[in-house]
Amino acid sequence: AAGVIQSPRHLIKEKRETATLKCYPIPRHDTVYWYQQGPGQDPQFLISFYEKMQSDKGSIPDRFSAQQFSDYHSELNMSSLELGDSALYFCASSGGPRGSYEQYFGPGTRLTVT
Amino acid sequence: SQQGEEDPQALSIQEGENATMNCSYKTSINNLQWYRQNSGRGLVHLILIRSNEREKHSGRLRVTLDTSKKSSSLLITASRAADTASYFCATDGGYGQNFVFGPGTRLSVLP
Repeated sequence: AAGVIQSPRHLIKEKRETATLKCYPIPRHDTVYWYQQGPGQDPQFLISFYEKMQSDKGSIPDRFSAQQFSDYHSELNMSSLELGDSALYFCASSGGPRGSYEQYFGPGTRLTVT
Repeated sequence: SQQGEEDPQALSIQEGENATMNCSYKTSINNLQWYRQNSGRGLVHLILIRSNEREKHSGRLRVTLDTSKKSSSLLITASRAADTASYFCATDGGYGQNFVFGPGTRLSVLP
């Protein structure tokens, strides 16, 4: 069965650079979530989208923005990168409004900021 | 805000034994989900239990939910070395509420 696809899988950036992470949800899933997991930390919810509209917002820094496109894929844009942004970034998708369906996670993008 | 908290934070058992992990949370929830994560890898969804359910089974997994105590437990029976991973509970308060992970329990199953 198709799973959530994230690209790139690994990304190395320097401080103050920008990065764009992409997420392709499971087909027919209309909700996408972004999470950040620092080393040894639990995942922290960043932001979610339902039917291309932002549906929920967590601890996403102002330097980050995200959107969901007409084909339901999502992109997380990160600017003015800081060393503390080094983490695993997970995208998850679900098949309906959040709270009703399981979230299925992608493999993650490991971002390293040097 | 609600938060899942796992207990214990680390657990070491022998293959074939049962492993029980607990999760507590603070506010009302719509559902609670358990995930497994192998070191540095993606989260794998294990089981979802809704707030009106008390127990759910999936293969060797058994999850209970006690909304009066705001707690849940995950039982893995007849554990295997391949079960070695971190296990997270995540609480879902429904639309408009954050989906919150607890700190996780690191399970080591020794052969």
